[in-house]
Amino acid sequence: DGGITQSPKYLFRKEGQNVTLSCEQNLNHDAMYWYRQDPGQGLRLIYYSQIVNDFQKGDIAEGYSVSREKKESFPLTVTSAQKNPTAFYLCASTPGGINEQFFGPGTRLTVL
Amino acid sequence: RKEVEQDPGPFNVPEGATVAFNCTYSNSASQSFFWYRQDCRKEPKLLMSVYSSGNEDGRFTAQLNRASQYISLLIRDSKLSDSATYLCVVNNLPNDYKLSFGAGTTVTVRA
Repeated sequence: DGGITQSPKYLFRKEGQNVTLSCEQNLNHDAMYWYRQDPGQGLRLIYYSQIVNDFQKGDIAEGYSVSREKKESFPLTVTSAQKNPTAFYLCASTPGGINEQFFGPGTRLTVL
Repeated sequence: RKEVEQDPGPFNVPEGATVAFNCTYSNSASQSFFWYRQDCRKEPKLLMSVYSSGNEDGRFTAQLNRASQYISLLIRDSKLSDSATYLCVVNNLPNDYKLSFGAGTTVTVRA
């Protein structure tokens, strides 16, 4: 089955630790995105990548980093510089152009 | 001004009722519009794209009003399973891959 996988579903970390969230897709989509969702708020774009080895900052990139070494994979690292990292993180992909985005199941990160 | 604004609701309606709500967007050059559905603690899923001429998918009807810069979603004959948060999604700029998401309108259908 084609789709987007994110792991883990729930993640707990101590304050000051970096953590990497996984996102993999087998849809052969060119573009991939990372969003953050907080209660009562819309999704906010962290980073996006339109092609391999290239990515751009979104609206709230501070304290995050990404890589896009393979078409299928777009991992997100939440660094200790992110002041309020507890949130629901969603990865999405699209074939390219202004098309609907397909989302993974999300990772719920809690920093203690 | 936010790029996409929605009435958060909640809209509480009985089964079988019709419910409708709007979403306004700030960029007059936006080209693509979508409604997504998000269940509690789940990922958003595409409900329908919104076309200039309006479109219908079963009990769901979407309309676009470019002059007033809003899109609407109407749900007829509401089912319990329609209870969810509905996200309005708009592309930021012409030919821009980025999308802007509204905070969502919550609909609760009661028996």
